[in-house]
Amino acid sequence: DAGVTQSPTHLIKTRGQHVTLRCSPISGHKSVSWYQQVLGQGPQFIFQYYEKEERGRGNFPDRFSARQFPNYSSELNVNALLLGDSALYLCASSLVGREEAFFGQGTRLTVV
Amino acid sequence: RKEVEQDPGPFNVPEGATVAFNCTYSNSASQSFFWYRQDCRKEPKLLMSVYSSGNEDGRFTAQLNRASQYISLLIRDSKLSDSATYLCVVNHDYKLSFGAGTTVTVRA
Repeated sequence: DAGVTQSPTHLIKTRGQHVTLRCSPISGHKSVSWYQQVLGQGPQFIFQYYEKEERGRGNFPDRFSARQFPNYSSELNVNALLLGDSALYLCASSLVGREEAFFGQGTRLTVV
Repeated sequence: RKEVEQDPGPFNVPEGATVAFNCTYSNSASQSFFWYRQDCRKEPKLLMSVYSSGNEDGRFTAQLNRASQYISLLIRDSKLSDSATYLCVVNHDYKLSFGAGTTVTVRA
C-alpha cells in the first residue's frame, strides 16, 4: 500500500510569491494534518482536516490556508511568502485524528 | 513554556550500550503519547505509542507517568542503525505537539 505522498519534494520560491503544496493520505485515512519543521526544531502544527472540515489550527498567520477534498487529499497554500517560511512542510494522515499519524516525505520549501 | 520539552543530547554511546532519555509535557489533558524517530532530512517515523502501563517493542521500552507528565524511552543493546533524532510527541484534541528531539549517535 502506498504511504502518504506529497508533492513537490523540493521548491524554490521568491519572497512575496504564493505556493501550493499537495498531499495524498494513506488509503482509508480521513484525517490530514500539516506541520512546518524548521532546522533544529520539532514539527509545528499548522492545520488538521477531517472529513473536509478544519478541525484545528496552529499559531500561524492567515497567509497560511488549507483545504481537504472529497477524496481526502489536501492542499496547503501559503501567500506572500517570507524568508522565514523556508522549512520542511510535512503532511500526516491518520484514521480519524486522535491516533498514530503517518508522515509523508515532506516538501522542502526555500524562499529566496 | 514549551508544550513538550526534551533533553537535546547528543547522546553518544557505543554499540551494545543502553541509552535512556525522557521528555516532559505541559498539558495535563493530553490524550495520547508517542515516540517518533527522524533521520537526517527525512520525515518522522512512528517508533511506538506509549501507554500508562509501560510498553516494550523489541529493544525499545517506553514509560508514561501521567502524574508527573513525563515520558521516557530506553534503548537496549544499541545498534548503529539506532542513530537518529528521537521525537517525543503528545496528542491533545487532534493536534500533535512535538519536542525538539533528542539526538542519539551509536558508535562502533
